[in-house]
This record gives sequence, structure tokens and C-alpha cells, in this order.
Amino acid sequence: SQQGEEDPQALSIQEGENATMNCSYKTSINNLQWYRQNSGRGLVHLILIRSNEREKHSGRLRVTLDTSKKSSSLLITASRAADTASYFCATDRGGSNYKLTFGKGTLLTVNP
Amino acid sequence: EAGVTQSPTHLIKTRGQQATLRCSPISGHTSVYWYQQALGLGLQFLLWYDEGEERNRGNFPPRFSGRQFPNYSSELNVNALELEDSALYLCASSLFTGELFFGEGSRLTVL
Repeated sequence: SQQGEEDPQALSIQEGENATMNCSYKTSINNLQWYRQNSGRGLVHLILIRSNEREKHSGRLRVTLDTSKKSSSLLITASRAADTASYFCATDRGGSNYKLTFGKGTLLTVNP
Repeated sequence: EAGVTQSPTHLIKTRGQQATLRCSPISGHTSVYWYQQALGLGLQFLLWYDEGEERNRGNFPPRFSGRQFPNYSSELNVNALELEDSALYLCASSLFTGELFFGEGSRLTVL
């Protein structure tokens, strides 16, 4: 079963604009991560935010986490055509039965 | 440093056959994870191996199995292939639980 659900499913913007993707999840989590996938290829880790953190930055990426609402957002500022990809959130609950559960992703298209 | 490598890149099989997919983790990583990415279904967790042992398994039938070798490389076997097994199979490795490093995947097509 999917733990995270990304919203929107697809997003199309112009180069230079900001892109915001959201992720909601159902149960308590240990960590939340965001990954990127170029068409049909492997996933690349972008950022990890722990359940006791509220915001994290990495370059043009900003991730927020609201555990009370069980949601996270990924903001990409000043987008570029090369940012075109699918973006997935993934959550884990920690513990000995560790499992990273992915959502279905948001397909971001950045038009030049 | 070499990343996670998977083989074969593409594999075509017919229904009822067996498929074997291979994964070499990043040097020093002891954990290997397998995911299935079928069209429109996102990534589904298959298996987690660590230190040669199966640590967790996703909601897949027993015909999906695997193992991890002493050098931490791993193999995923899918028996009695069905059409719906057609998917991109992704392997990832990690040193500790947290960030996963993914390979480029093996695309399995079942005819």
C-alpha cells in the first residue's frame, strides 16, 4: 500500500518559475525523503527531513514537514528545463522492519 | 566510486518462464533493497536484505524471491512469470537506514 500521496500528479511551469509539490501520508513517520527520477531511470535522493525537523534547505530545494497534518512540501525555486522529472516522497517508520514507502510521484515539466 | 549496478538492462521473457535480476551495491554498503515500478503504480517495495539475511518483505507472492551473497551483491528471482510482472525493477543500497542509492534498473517485459 502507498504511504505517501503526492499532489498534484502533474505540474507544468515555465523556466524561472517556482514549483511546489505536496505529499501527504497516513501514519506516523521517522523520516521523510524526496527523490527525483528522470524518465525510466533510477531514482536520485534529494533531501531527507527527520520527524523532529520542520524545514530543510538544499540549494534551490526547500522542504517543509508538518507532522500534525501528516504532510510535506517540496519547493524548487527558479526552475530550469533540466528539473523536468518525476518527484517522489518516501516515508519510513524506523524500527527493525525498516521499509521506505514511496508515493506515486508528481511529474514536473519545466518548459524553456 | 562506482554506483549501484544492475544487470541485465533489459530482459524479455514469456509467461511461465523465470527471470533473474542482479544487483551490485556501492562498495561498503551492506543493505540492498528491491522495488518494482510498474506503469501507473509507483514504486512497490519488494525485499530488503542486510548482512546476507532477508530483513523485510513487501506484499508480493512467494514466486518473488531473492538472496544476498557474502559480497553483498543480490539476486532477485521471479518464477512463473505473469504478464503483470512487466515492470522496471530497481535495486538500491545503503549503509544505514536512510538515504537509498538506486541503480538504473532492469526492465522486464513478459510476453
